[in-house]
Amino acid sequence: EVQLLESGGGLVQPGESLRLSCAVSGFTFGSHAMSWVRQAPGKGPEWVSVISGTGSSTYYADSVKGRFTISRDNSKNTLYLQMNSLRAEDTAIYFCARVPGARQDYFDYWGQGTLVTVSS
Amino acid sequence: EIVMTQSPATLSVSPGERATLSCRASQSVSSNLAWYQQKPGQTPRLLIYGASTRATGIPARFSGGGSGTEFTLTISSLQSEDFAVYYCQQYNTWPLTFGGGTKVDIK
Repeated sequence: EVQLLESGGGLVQPGESLRLSCAVSGFTFGSHAMSWVRQAPGKGPEWVSVISGTGSSTYYADSVKGRFTISRDNSKNTLYLQMNSLRAEDTAIYFCARVPGARQDYFDYWGQGTLVTVSS
Repeated sequence: EIVMTQSPATLSVSPGERATLSCRASQSVSSNLAWYQQKPGQTPRLLIYGASTRATGIPARFSGGGSGTEFTLTISSLQSEDFAVYYCQQYNTWPLTFGGGTKVDIK
């Protein structure tokens, strides 16, 4: 059974940092690109970042470029999102999601999400 | 970036009726379009990819169509568990983008 479990969310002040983790099981982690997708309260999903299976390629939404860094440790079956210089508009539930295959950049499995709140 | 526009924002339908949801892309995304269902407090669930291919375990009453810039999701006979918000997502061009959603509620 495919499982994705996010952790690391919480309440931080503007300008602070946070590191999210996503532990996965039930599939060969290194064979899949992985993404972070966020959803602000009452809003639709917003794609944040994606990383290839080997970790050699990454893409970011313009809204987080230069502030967020996606990475992965295939030996630990874990995906990460380092978030720096956080802003109020980054407040959202952050989901990790699996990309099913090459050039198929939609999401077939999602974690339950971790809430990030940025507020003074 | 490609803007995805969904209509209507809310669709009121009686159980057993047919529902048709629309998604329009600001430029062609070929057939690189997915649909998701999200119920309150739950994560999005993949319904359709490649504009018309049902994901594993998705009932046949869900069907997707279209290509280029115009897409539809049709639910042939609404069941009680189908009342939810539906999102489209294009994966043809970076950045990946989602539509604003269509809420299907009980008439």
